[in-house]
Amino acid sequence: ETGVTQTPRHLVMGMTNKKSLKCEQHLGHNAMYWYKQSAKKPLELMFVYNFKEQTENNSVPSRFSPECPNSSHLFLHLHTLQPEDSALYLCASSPSGSNHNEQFFGPGTRLTVL
Amino acid sequence: AQTVTQSQPEMSVQEAETVTLSCTYDTSENNYYLFWYKQPPSRQMILVIRQEAYKQQNATENRFSVNFQKAAKSFSLKISDSQLGDTAMYFCAFMKHANYGGSQGNLIFGKGTKLSVKP
Repeated sequence: ETGVTQTPRHLVMGMTNKKSLKCEQHLGHNAMYWYKQSAKKPLELMFVYNFKEQTENNSVPSRFSPECPNSSHLFLHLHTLQPEDSALYLCASSPSGSNHNEQFFGPGTRLTVL
Repeated sequence: AQTVTQSQPEMSVQEAETVTLSCTYDTSENNYYLFWYKQPPSRQMILVIRQEAYKQQNATENRFSVNFQKAAKSFSLKISDSQLGDTAMYFCAFMKHANYGGSQGNLIFGKGTKLSVKP
């Protein structure tokens, strides 16, 4: 498989559930990102990992917990979410170490919190 | 803080015609990059074109070109000979240039413009 993949593509969960989103990139990149895309709002950067180290946490609530076990995989662990957390969650990756790096996006996980 | 504004929530264009999408941004930085990303319905977001702020020449990629006005902080996208496959959300994005020894800036997106190409 090529590019950036995300599973699951759709997820419905209750506010008391615990679930995880998975992202995998097959591009040899060292930087990975989580974004939240809500209707009529700009994409919101949530987390950035460079060489498995978290370099950015954009004031994200603790009910979202990222994990980056290696440069190819990125997880977003979810627990006790709120209905306003319903959105499309996008993962992206890019090379590290140089400027104007193009970010390659996955197809996203459409999350609905009931 | 940097901001990106796309003032056209929706636009439409006839197939084979030309359309221009607007984008303005606000920054105190002198070195940065600007991007246009395309997100087709139910498909992945892909890069359309990018511009380096220190380059005066406008970037072009086949039917896509930009009009970069640095003083006005304007970065519009022109799509020539529009095709049905151009129907998508288009996002303008800004990235600060990394300082020497530092990490690059993160992408800051506008709200997007929904473009519909009509047959």
